[in-house]
Amino acid sequence: EAGVVQSPRYKIIEKKQPVAFWCNPISGHNTLYWYLQNLGQGPELLIRYENEEAVDDSQLPKDRFSAERLKGVDSTLKIQPAELGDSAVYLCASSLGGERSYNEQFFGPGTRLTVL
Amino acid sequence: QKEVEQNSGPLSVPEGAIASLNCTYSDRGSQSFFWYRQYSGKSPELIMFIYSNGDKEDGRFTAQLNKASQYVSLLIRDSQPSDSATYLCAVRWSYQLTFGKGTKLSVIP
Repeated sequence: EAGVVQSPRYKIIEKKQPVAFWCNPISGHNTLYWYLQNLGQGPELLIRYENEEAVDDSQLPKDRFSAERLKGVDSTLKIQPAELGDSAVYLCASSLGGERSYNEQFFGPGTRLTVL
Repeated sequence: QKEVEQNSGPLSVPEGAIASLNCTYSDRGSQSFFWYRQYSGKSPELIMFIYSNGDKEDGRFTAQLNKASQYVSLLIRDSQPSDSATYLCAVRWSYQLTFGKGTKLSVIP
């Protein structure tokens, strides 16, 4: 079974430029999460999707960040414009959905963003 | 504010010893508790989770939970150099996982 796929793995951009990250969850996983992980910190939730609905986006900085999961499968996270402080690893995770399966989140390899 | 606290380490243990990793959390309403392992430059991978007070064993790993003390720990028996990684404690409130900063473990051959 393929795991969570993310691309690109690395991205270097100049500040004020836009950037987009893509995630393909494990097949059959209805719940998709985007996390941000800074160096030396644990992952912090940005947004959670149940199918195509964003059910928790309270931590997403909506002035510059946006996300979509149009068909309830793949998801894209966008930053526009990027700031120096956005340099971090962006992790996508997925889970089956339902009460117990929320416990088991599987992470993708992440996208390491560097903003110069 | 829901908080999960871990000692950042590094924690160094000799090969074959028991490594003990600890985590405290702020909210008594928390429902379940997770340990993830993260190798440098890699994404977190789930080791085990625990719901109920007491111990849960899986191979060389034992998770211990004490809800009254708001404390969860992970014991790694017969530590191997391949166990060297950062261990993240995560606590679930409702549908959200809140992670600690992680404890870096080094197993010395």
